[in-house]
Amino acid sequence: SQELEQSPQSLIVQEGKNLTINCTSSKTLYGLYWYKQKYGEGLIFLMMLQKGGEEKSHEKITAKLDEKKQQSSLHITASQPSHAGIYLCGANHLIAYSGAGSYQLTFGKGTKLSVIP
Amino acid sequence: ETGVTQTPRHLVMGMTNKKSLKCEQHLGHNAMYWYKQSAKKPLELMFVYSLEERVENNSVPSRFSPECPNSSHLFLHLHTLQPEDSALYLCASSQFRERGEKLFFGSGTQLSVL
Repeated sequence: SQELEQSPQSLIVQEGKNLTINCTSSKTLYGLYWYKQKYGEGLIFLMMLQKGGEEKSHEKITAKLDEKKQQSSLHITASQPSHAGIYLCGANHLIAYSGAGSYQLTFGKGTKLSVIP
Repeated sequence: ETGVTQTPRHLVMGMTNKKSLKCEQHLGHNAMYWYKQSAKKPLELMFVYSLEERVENNSVPSRFSPECPNSSHLFLHLHTLQPEDSALYLCASSQFRERGEKLFFGSGTQLSVL
């Protein structure tokens, strides 16, 4: 089963509209990342959340972490065509405990966002 | 510009060819990664190098062979690939291989195996 589920899989919005993308983990979270990817290109780091209840913003993008629910949401206010792309969440999951522990960063399948001018 | 450079950007190869993907990071990082991204699947971690030692190999077929000659360079040697190996191959680096480290990604190599 998928460790990180993103919803929706794809989203088409009119320019100027707000939108939310969700990421839910089936395992305990030890940090969550949001990345943006243009089609066929590398991932650009957006934000990292590490504490429950943490909220971070960058320009018109806000991300929140609900550690108890093992969920994070990414909210874009007044979307623009430049926001179009694939948004991926990544999470640190504990894969082995040996001293300090061993973590692996896994990713969701991504949410494809299209913004219509 | 993330400080991680991958070449080539696109590669088309036959199943009998041998080719190599190259990754170079200019960030002074100590950990480097190879990821595979296929359509409609999550990013798959292939290999991790920390301080030039391979510390993770996630059940990757032997037709993929990584090499890390120093902390700035990472290669992925390819031979006798299959069509299902067609994907975007992404290289990433981080300061250390620890929890909470931010990964910096290259632009990827789009590989097509004919």
